[in-house]
Amino acid sequence: DVKVTQSSRYLVKRTGEKVFLECVQDMDHENMFWYRQDPGLGLRLIYFSYDVKMKEKGDIPEGYSVSREKKERFSLILESASTNQTSMYLCASSSLLGGAGSGANVLTFGAGSRLTVL
Amino acid sequence: AQSVTQLDSQVPVFEEAPVELRCNYSSSVSVYLFWYVQYPNQGLQLLLKYLSGSTLVKGINGFEAEFNKSQTSFHLRKPSVHISDTAEYFCAVRDSSYKLIFGSGTRLLVRP
Repeated sequence: DVKVTQSSRYLVKRTGEKVFLECVQDMDHENMFWYRQDPGLGLRLIYFSYDVKMKEKGDIPEGYSVSREKKERFSLILESASTNQTSMYLCASSSLLGGAGSGANVLTFGAGSRLTVL
Repeated sequence: AQSVTQLDSQVPVFEEAPVELRCNYSSSVSVYLFWYVQYPNQGLQLLLKYLSGSTLVKGINGFEAEFNKSQTSFHLRKPSVHISDTAEYFCAVRDSSYKLIFGSGTRLLVRP
């Protein structure tokens, strides 16, 4: 019954390493999102994508990039991990933009990937 | 830009007592509001949503919320909580596009 799958639940990386976080959804959703969750700050949007090969910056894109080569897969990349990127990363998806009652308003989340950068 | 404020970072309550988790949002022409719940070591799941219509919205697990436009609030309530309700609760508002803006979260701690 799993609909949004994040490949790694826990990762430990070293400063300067390149990190890939993978997310796959099986609901044929157009929109996909990467959020970062930190205590006391809630969820902050890093990047989102509304179509294959399309991406837009969220509120905190610095230090991150994304890739969406296929509709079902959205990857978050940390080119050179730093200790301040230690966090919980949440992937989510939703269907296409629409008005009240449309599926665009409901995000389905993955279980999260907890990244520790040493 | 939209914003969401959850003033209470933690709410302790005894089992079977009522609870209210507060959420205020910045005003906008059209407002879509949500409550999500996150149980320990899990992702977020939708608890309830307000998109239009009745201002009293009922969700899963006996929770409900009331949209109050004049007070720009969307408080979450439950008349009698259980130990299993211990979790973090996030209020969210939809941005002008299809992004959700989340509050900082409220940790509900239910004690026996």
